[in-house]
Amino acid sequence: GAGVSQSPRYKVAKRGQDVALRCDPISGHVSLFWYQQALGQGPEFLTYFQNEAQLDKSGLPSDRFFAERPEGSVSTLKIQRTQQEDSAVYLCASTSGPLNEQFFGPGTRLTVL
Amino acid sequence: GDSVTQMEGPVTLSEEAFLIINCTYTATGYPSLFWYVQYPGEGLQLLLKATKADDKGSNKGFEATYRKETTSFHLEKGSVQVSDSAVYFCALSDQGGSYIPTFGRGTSLIVHP
Repeated sequence: GAGVSQSPRYKVAKRGQDVALRCDPISGHVSLFWYQQALGQGPEFLTYFQNEAQLDKSGLPSDRFFAERPEGSVSTLKIQRTQQEDSAVYLCASTSGPLNEQFFGPGTRLTVL
Repeated sequence: GDSVTQMEGPVTLSEEAFLIINCTYTATGYPSLFWYVQYPGEGLQLLLKATKADDKGSNKGFEATYRKETTSFHLEKGSVQVSDSAVYFCALSDQGGSYIPTFGRGTSLIVHP
C-alpha cells in the first residue's frame, strides 16, 4: 500500500538487549517523526527528520535512544540496553511538511521483560 | 510550553446519541488544531483540523470549532454509530513556536448498538 509501514509490529526484548525499529514513510514525504506512546497516553515526540537531517532530537529520553534516516527515506529507531520503562508503542509519522497532516504507521509495540 | 487537555474516558454511548469530547489547549504562538482518531489495531489518522480562530473543521459527521476566546476545540457529532468506537486525540501544532505536535491523552469512545 501507499501508507506508512512499521516493522516489526510487536517486539519482545529481554532487559539489556538492543532493538531496532523500522519505519517506511510515504514515498516523497520529506518530514518524519518518531513518537513514544505509553499505555493510556497520547503520543510523545521523540525526534524529527527533514530528509536525512535530524533537526530535533530533544524528545529522546536518554542516550540509549538513537535514530537515523541515512538516505532520507527509511528510518530506524534503535534502543540500546533496553529497560522495562522503554515498554511502549513506538509510532512513526511522515508528512510533506512539518505543519501538514501527519500520516501515522500502525506502530511497533515493544515489551521489555 | 504547549499543552492539550481532553476529557477522560471512556465515553460510553448508545447508537444515535449525541457526542461531545472536550479539548482545551495552551499555546505560546498561533496553533493549528487537530483531531486524530485511532481505530483498534490501526495507526492514528487525521479526522479534521482548523488552522485559525473561528474555523470549523468537519469530516464524517464530526465537527469542531476553533474557539480562541475559550482556547477550546471540542469534538461533536450529532448521531454516533457503532463504527465510531475508537480513541480520539486532540492535538496542536504551533505555527508561531515549535512545530512539534503536542497531543492530548486520548479519549476512548465506546458506542453500543
